[in-house]
Amino acid sequence: DAGVTQSPTHLIKTRGQHVTLRCSPISGHKSVSWYQQVLGQGPQFIFQYYEKEERGRGNFPDRFSARQFPNYSSELNVNALLLGDSALYLCASSSLSGGYADTQYFGPGTRLTVL
Amino acid sequence: GQQVMQIPQYQHVQEGEDFTTYCNSSTTLSNIQWYKQRPGGHPVFLIQLVKSGEVKKQKRLTFQFGEAKKNSSLHITATQTTDVGTYFCAGLRSNDYKLSFGAGTTVTVRA
Repeated sequence: DAGVTQSPTHLIKTRGQHVTLRCSPISGHKSVSWYQQVLGQGPQFIFQYYEKEERGRGNFPDRFSARQFPNYSSELNVNALLLGDSALYLCASSSLSGGYADTQYFGPGTRLTVL
Repeated sequence: GQQVMQIPQYQHVQEGEDFTTYCNSSTTLSNIQWYKQRPGGHPVFLIQLVKSGEVKKQKRLTFQFGEAKKNSSLHITATQTTDVGTYFCAGLRSNDYKLSFGAGTTVTVRA
């Protein structure tokens, strides 16, 4: 079975631009979470979606938005990019079998560089 | 808000030696998870601890959840070069979807 896939692998943008990152979860997983990992730090929670509904949001500005599609894939959108948005953006899927606690299966990430 | 702290930030270990990394939360957790991230890679799930005082072993790795469910530890015995990477703990509070990661312990091994 394929793991979590993310696209693109790398991305270079300039300040003020908009970016869309994509994620496909493991087959059968209905929950997708997004994390931002700045170099030298742990992943920071951005969003969690389950069955196309937002179930959790981290402390990120409204420039960050996401959605989940009927096939459970997801997009993360970031508007008005800032230099500080440069990071590895990780998508993780989980089965979320009714409970709040669930193993996160991470994708390889999208490395975003904002110039 | 919830904070998860990990110490030490860096661990330089002689091959064959043991070491322990610690994780502390400012709030009581419903469970704690441990992940390993190799250089240039993504976090990979290692284990989840749910019960107070729980101890789980995976070969040379021993994971423990504190009695108060606010701290955890990872002990590695007979360190090998394959243990190189950053180990993250991640805590979850009851009725919360926000998995809070610590900053990680980056392990290097001297042969």
